Amino acid sequence: AQSVTQPDIHITVSEGASLELRCNYSYGATPYLFWYVQSPGQGLQLLLKYFSGDTLVQGIKGFEAEFKRSQSSFNLRKPSVHWSDAAEYFCAVGEDNFNKFYFGSGTKLNVKP
Amino acid sequence: NAGVTQTPKFQVLKTGQSMTLQCAQDMNHNSMYWYRQDPGMGLRLIYYSASEGTTDKGEVPNGYNVSRLNKREFSLRLESAAPSQTSVYFCASNSEYAIYFGEGSWLTVV
Repeated sequence: AQSVTQPDIHITVSEGASLELRCNYSYGATPYLFWYVQSPGQGLQLLLKYFSGDTLVQGIKGFEAEFKRSQSSFNLRKPSVHWSDAAEYFCAVGEDNFNKFYFGSGTKLNVKP
Repeated sequence: NAGVTQTPKFQVLKTGQSMTLQCAQDMNHNSMYWYRQDPGMGLRLIYYSASEGTTDKGEVPNGYNVSRLNKREFSLRLESAAPSQTSVYFCASNSEYAIYFGEGSWLTVV
């Protein structure tokens, strides 16, 4: 069965520091991978997605993610975190027919001044 | 540019009451979904509809029913609400390239 694991429940970083959020997936076929961000009281906003091609994908708000098939990972990165990045981040994998999406349990990011 | 709209945003129910969460999308998407979000558990799929006239169970369908009224609308019904159904519910639709979410419905069952 498909699954997505986000090993870190909470992460705290200082403003201006770099960030990496981990995501591992389990899926037999070619994965379609996504990162979403959720601010408190809001819905989920798409940050970036990977379907094929270049394994390093760029997203909105200065985020990027790298697909590593050998490690079944799709980690999210940002070189310099801003206080407004404090939110919860979800990794997701979509089946190849796009009928189902599976989400990780989320990582809450706290940004220290 | 409404996207995915769901109502109501907040609702308090008594155990045993019924209610329907409404969802509509204006993006002409074929697939629509209902998820629930609980602390530490991420989003869990309740039901989905791959096209008008079809619905399928997700991970946690028990206690819920759905109706795909037309291409735009996908409703979620709780026939007899239970405290375990206290959650935040998200409707979403799919463009074949990503899934887009509504802003959520906060449901409390007392």
